[in-house]
Amino acid sequence: NAGVTQTPKFQVLKTGQSMTLQCAQDMNHNSMYWYRQDPGMGLRLIYYSASEGTTDKGEVPNGYNVSRLNKREFSLRLESAAPSQTSVYFCASSDQGVGETQYFGPGTRLLVL
Amino acid sequence: GNSVTQMEGPVTLSEEAFLTINCTYTATGYPSLFWYVQYPGEGLQLLLKATKADDKGSNKGFEATYRKETTSFHLEKGSVQVSDSAVYFCAYNNNDMRFGAGTRLTVKP
Repeated sequence: NAGVTQTPKFQVLKTGQSMTLQCAQDMNHNSMYWYRQDPGMGLRLIYYSASEGTTDKGEVPNGYNVSRLNKREFSLRLESAAPSQTSVYFCASSDQGVGETQYFGPGTRLLVL
Repeated sequence: GNSVTQMEGPVTLSEEAFLTINCTYTATGYPSLFWYVQYPGEGLQLLLKATKADDKGSNKGFEATYRKETTSFHLEKGSVQVSDSAVYFCAYNNNDMRFGAGTRLTVKP
């Protein structure tokens, strides 16, 4: 049982490049989330998907798009990366929604030059 | 607005010392409260949670009590170990999950 997996683990981009962060969970959870973690700011929610086929904006959605490809997979896309998007990105999933315990992936460290 | 405020770190303790990390929240209604722990190079893991007032969450020797009257959920451990060195996040859920900034704990032998 792998839980929540994320790829890649680390990525360097130049300003203006695009990329997609992948996330998959094998716990049959309905809800999935993308967060970014910056020093001194905890985790901030970028987007979430309460169930397959739905997505909603979180606290800091600007500059990102998401796709809930199926129940297992939830991807995060940066269309035109900016240095301000340098961060560690975490994907998480939960069973019934935000009230339930969230299970986190190992993170993707992104550096935008 | 809704927010979580937790004790700023870093915190450095000797092994077997007593630990308290303060956490307070501002939210309407009755949120669920959580402590998550992040070990180096890993994602967050749930440490403990409490879903209603006066509930006590506990795990691995850590405890926290949901105090609605003071809107607090302070984390305590009676005797810390080197292996407890990590970053600790307080969080609440009240229709959306909000995390504190994190407190880095280092325990020295």
